[in-house]
Amino acid sequence: AQSVSQHNHHVILSEAASLELGCNYSYGGTVNLFWYVQYPGQHLQLLLKYFSGDPLVKGIKGFEAEFIKSKFSFNLRKPSVQWSDTAEYFCAVNGAPGGYQKVTFGTGTKLQVIP
Amino acid sequence: EAQVTQNPRYLITVTGKKLTVTCSQNMNHEYMSWYRQDPGLGLRQIYYSMNVEVTDKGDVPEGYKVSRKEKRNFPLILESPSPNQTSLYFCASSDRGSNTDTQYFGPGTRLTVL
Repeated sequence: AQSVSQHNHHVILSEAASLELGCNYSYGGTVNLFWYVQYPGQHLQLLLKYFSGDPLVKGIKGFEAEFIKSKFSFNLRKPSVQWSDTAEYFCAVNGAPGGYQKVTFGTGTKLQVIP
Repeated sequence: EAQVTQNPRYLITVTGKKLTVTCSQNMNHEYMSWYRQDPGLGLRQIYYSMNVEVTDKGDVPEGYKVSRKEKRNFPLILESPSPNQTSLYFCASSDRGSNTDTQYFGPGTRLTVL
């Protein structure tokens, strides 16, 4: 079965600091990768997704992620965080081996940005 | 407005009392899915549906049932809830379940089983 690891459970940064959140998945077949964000009290929304083509994906609000197939990784980055980026971030994968109907999420990373 | 709605948003119940959490989407999406979110475990898929009358188990289906009689609705049924089903539940939908499609999430239902 597919599994997704997010190694950073809780990250605290000052405003303007750079952000990188790790995401690794276990199955190396054809996969599609997503980052979702959950702001306090809100439901999940998509930040960005990768399914083919350029491995560097740009999303909303200045976020980007890089798919490195050889490392089974899809790390999320932002050059300069803002207080409004305080949220929980989830990496997700669908595709092999369960098929694209089955979606596996990581355990999430809580980001706290201090003004 | 395109959205996924869930009802109720909050529910406190007792062990063994059957309950249904409704989910409805107005985007004509074929694919719908239920997740539970627990601290330290992230989101885990309970059931999903590729279309009307087509449902399948996710990673944690035990203790849950679903039905998909209409395209827009995908209720989650707990026939005999237990305290370990206390959780935050999210419904999601996407267009045709395509591997490139974004899932749109509902606002969540916080369930407490005493």
